[in-house]
Amino acid sequence: AQKVTQAQTEISVVEKEDVTLDCVYETRDTTYYLFWYKQPPSGELVFLIRRNSFDEQNEISGRYSWNFQKSTSSFNFTITASQVVDSAVYFCALSEYNFNKFYFGSGTKLNVKP
Amino acid sequence: SQTIHQWPATLVQPVGSPLSLECTVEGTSNPNLYWYRQAAGRGLQLLFYSVGIGQISSEVPQNLSASRPQDRQFILSSKKLLLSDSGFYLCAWRAGGRDFTDTQYFGPGTRLTVL
Repeated sequence: AQKVTQAQTEISVVEKEDVTLDCVYETRDTTYYLFWYKQPPSGELVFLIRRNSFDEQNEISGRYSWNFQKSTSSFNFTITASQVVDSAVYFCALSEYNFNKFYFGSGTKLNVKP
Repeated sequence: SQTIHQWPATLVQPVGSPLSLECTVEGTSNPNLYWYRQAAGRGLQLLFYSVGIGQISSEVPQNLSASRPQDRQFILSSKKLLLSDSGFYLCAWRAGGRDFTDTQYFGPGTRLTVL
């Protein structure tokens, strides 16, 4: 069965600190996709990144970077030099190969203090 | 470009009253549509998804039902609301058919409070 675990319920950092959000997944599929979404206080989920199971290259987008390691079934998200605007709940998700279902983690609430 | 709408944005309803939440998508055809619920301080729970008109898959047995009367319209309903139905309801879409994508995109959500 598919499962996504975000063990960190809430993290607080001071602005300009680096922070890593952990995501561990379980699946028996050989083809799957992993996602990160951001949920600001307004509530709408904002898509951040998608990664397929055949591409283990790390990705960097500005202050955001993602580390995908199949050996440990992890897809961790790092924010460098955090800012107050990064405060939000972040969700990691896993989709089946046919994309009909997404399995979301329970989310990590990030508080960035000035 | 594609956009997704949900209404109402907020709703306060008494226990036992009916419910109808609507979600519409613009700018795409034959999308996959999804309803999620997020209880306060919790993660997302998939309630229903639909791959086409009249095709509804239910994930969690409960007090709710869904319908898809038109290609880009997805409705979440209840005949009698329970206190436990309170939460933040999110609709999402994924492009299907020729425009297939693997990413779900979410609407602004409806915050439902049942008193």
